[in-house]
Amino acid sequence: DAGVIQSPRHEVTEMGQEVTLRCKPISGHNSLFWYRQTMMRGLELLIYFNNNVPIDDSGMPEDRFSAKMPNASFSTLKIQPSEPRDSAVYFCASSGTRYNEQFFGPGTRLTVL
Amino acid sequence: SQQGEEDPQALSIQEGENATMNCSYKTSINNLQWYRQNSGRGLVHLILIRSNEREKHSGRLRVTLDTSKKSSSLLITASRAADTASYFCATDAAGANNLFFGTGTRLTVIP
Repeated sequence: DAGVIQSPRHEVTEMGQEVTLRCKPISGHNSLFWYRQTMMRGLELLIYFNNNVPIDDSGMPEDRFSAKMPNASFSTLKIQPSEPRDSAVYFCASSGTRYNEQFFGPGTRLTVL
Repeated sequence: SQQGEEDPQALSIQEGENATMNCSYKTSINNLQWYRQNSGRGLVHLILIRSNEREKHSGRLRVTLDTSKKSSSLLITASRAADTASYFCATDAAGANNLFFGTGTRLTVIP
């Protein structure tokens, strides 16, 4: 298994542009999580899905952020419009085991200029 | 918040020494997990201990759990330079699939 796949690995964009981050979870996992990590705020859970349904999006910073999971093998996190304070590493993780161990992707490093 | 807190925030030791990191949390849990993160990488699951367990071993890792004190510790024995990373504890939420991650301990093992 290739593990959790994220793309792109790096994204540099200008303020105001739309950014779309993509994630492919491990096949057979039924839960998917989006996290943001910065030096100042640490690891923050943004949203998570169970069986493609959003369960808790209380961590989504504001309306500029949206996430979708159209099927069991794909999810997107979109930021529109992007701002410099959105610069961070965004991780996707999936789980499907009895004890909910999470498997993380390599992350997308986003820089908004 | 149910978020765990690791202690210390940073730890620097010589290769061969043991490293101990502690985690405290606030509410009842089903299990507690430890993860490792190398610089620039995603978190990797290391070990899980259930709430009815007190101690668990995996290779050079030893985890203890004291539910009465709502705390856990991770011991890495005979540390190696390759153990240099950040270590996070994570607790589950009753009835939910998400985990609450702590703030992490940055471990540096000096060769």
